[in-house]
Amino acid sequence: RKEVEQDPGPFNVPEGATVAFNCTYSNSASQSFFWYRQDCRKEPKLLMSVYSSGNEDGRFTAQLNRASQYISLLIRDSKLSDSATYLCVVTGSGGSNYKLTFGKGTLLTVNP
Amino acid sequence: NAGVMQNPRHLVRRRGQEARLRCSPMKGHSHVYWYRQLPEEGLKFMVYLQKENIIDESGMPKERFSAEFPKEGPSILRIQQVVRGDSAAYFCASSPNQFSGNTIYFGEGSWLTVV
Repeated sequence: RKEVEQDPGPFNVPEGATVAFNCTYSNSASQSFFWYRQDCRKEPKLLMSVYSSGNEDGRFTAQLNRASQYISLLIRDSKLSDSATYLCVVTGSGGSNYKLTFGKGTLLTVNP
Repeated sequence: NAGVMQNPRHLVRRRGQEARLRCSPMKGHSHVYWYRQLPEEGLKFMVYLQKENIIDESGMPKERFSAEFPKEGPSILRIQQVVRGDSAAYFCASSPNQFSGNTIYFGEGSWLTVV
């Protein structure tokens, strides 16, 4: 099982659509969880942290289920500017919590 | 306050040459991390350094790759005798202390092409 596995994509959606990304991770001792976005040939940028209680930032909602080792990201009312690759990211456990493990990413294209 | 600065942004090397990638962390940051992104792959951890110390190099290939973060100057990722498989984007990140949350910042990356 891969350390972090994401929907392979790509996703093509019209503007205004709601889109959901799913991610699973293998290390049950992982401590922190994030969604990053990466534009083509750019660096990854933090989109939001993910907590068991769920968190929302505008049109973006992230959820963590530790029992099933599952992370999700929901984007409502998609905009053209949301087109990017979305990366599920998990930190190591214990003393290796500085180490980020990235999924391969899911490409989203929002069409006019 | 400048962000994480990487140079060169693009580098072309012939097989067998050496590549040196430099990273200046954000001001006040003394922890540096290098990640590699192969084509169509996710970023992979390579090495974690503090000033003058390698903390974790578990992601570094055993041969040809080395990293340093001297007391003065930028962190350097050095790849000797490059091969085509080294073609990738190399991202540096920095944090003010050992990263354990979201206080990590990535540079814009260095794209290495081996021909």
